Amino acid sequence: DTEVTQTPKHLVMGMTNKKSLKCEQHMGHRAMYWYKQKAKKPPELMFVYSYEKLSINESVPSRFSPECPNSSLLNLHLHALQPEDSALYLCASSHLGDGTDTQYFGPGTRLTVL
Amino acid sequence: GEDVEQSLFLSVREGDSSVINCTYTDSSSTYLYWYKQEPGAGLQLLTYIFSNMDMKQDQRLTVLLNKKDKHLSLRIADTQTGDSAIYFCAEITPSGNTPLVFGKGTRLSVIA
Repeated sequence: DTEVTQTPKHLVMGMTNKKSLKCEQHMGHRAMYWYKQKAKKPPELMFVYSYEKLSINESVPSRFSPECPNSSLLNLHLHALQPEDSALYLCASSHLGDGTDTQYFGPGTRLTVL
Repeated sequence: GEDVEQSLFLSVREGDSSVINCTYTDSSSTYLYWYKQEPGAGLQLLTYIFSNMDMKQDQRLTVLLNKKDKHLSLRIADTQTGDSAIYFCAEITPSGNTPLVFGKGTRLSVIA
């Protein structure tokens, strides 16, 4: 089983709202990732959690706040977003905590900021 | 630094073979990947090849790796309309800051 699940599938929010994206995997993977993908572009790495600790933050604005409550779950808390933050947000996981092996992606959350 | 290059578009007729090419710069790459993304969907791992291999075949898919030229290709035999998607080449870069580096993606259009 190489499934990564993400909820919700779609999210529409206003610039003053607070919302959260959720990601889950039950493969025992020790690294989890958040990516942002704009239309017709490759995914851009946002955050990496390794062994439940934040190991990479690609200079992401503080209105995006990641959280890793346990080894299977990864959240992305959203607050005071801008319309340009509208994108597909992808979660991924990989077996090794050092990020040197295959990443498996979820289906994504399509976010629209009004 | 790490860089992965792909042509942006490819159009083929149904039943023909498709060949999508990719070049990369990091000689320390360990794994190279092909991901498929259909409209509105996430990334599906299609296949991958370890850097000490030259070729990998999986049903209709053939991956060729020329490590000397840092060139990777994906051949899809008997291309079907369901193969229409964006194909991303990606490499694991142990020496880089970003674990997985993507190309810009090749949009494959299959004409019936």
